[in-house]
Amino acid sequence: DVKVTQSSRYLVKRTGEKVFLECVQDMDHENMFWYRQDPGLGLRLIYFSYDVKMKEKGDIPEGYSVSREKKERFSLILESASTNQTSMYLCASSFPLSYNEQFFGPGTRLTVL
Amino acid sequence: DQQVKQNSPSLSVQEGRISILNCDYTNSMFDYFLWYKKYPAEGPTFLISISSIKDKNEDGRFTVFLNKSAKHLSLHIVPSQPGDSAVYFCALRGGAQKLVFGQGTRLTINP
Repeated sequence: DVKVTQSSRYLVKRTGEKVFLECVQDMDHENMFWYRQDPGLGLRLIYFSYDVKMKEKGDIPEGYSVSREKKERFSLILESASTNQTSMYLCASSFPLSYNEQFFGPGTRLTVL
Repeated sequence: DQQVKQNSPSLSVQEGRISILNCDYTNSMFDYFLWYKKYPAEGPTFLISISSIKDKNEDGRFTVFLNKSAKHLSLHIVPSQPGDSAVYFCALRGGAQKLVFGQGTRLTINP
């Protein structure tokens, strides 16, 4: 059974804090993605990675960075959290060059106070 | 500028009837189209997909229709069941293995 896990289901941080969101997949997928989901806006792509140490900006990368040191792990970093980064964060993974079902983790609900 | 639009934020349907969810897009370069279903406090799960060379794909109670000339995608669920109550996202692939998601439609099936 395929699995994508995220380190926290709920997280509360203060403005200006550095925040790490971790995602691990056990499917040996090359591709990994970070999205945020906001009401009325759907899922928007923040960053994605095709391979270890590779990263590409998505549609809304400002205020975020990522790290992929191992194939199974993809981290999203908020360098200095702001209230407008309060959101649901979803990690996903997929195989490359396939007709691309992405498998999602359960999400992390981040609140920045 | 939104490339993918789900214009109905919510839809309410009687159990046993047909549910029709719609998705419109602007970019002709999209070549693969997917529907995801999301329950509260869970990640989205893949439901059904269709490639641009087809106009219909069916899987049990779920059928996806693609009208390329109108740039319109729809998902039909028949008969609708209470367990179908969820948020549905269309997702379109436009290259580079990325997906562009719609805003989502919350479907409620009433007993």
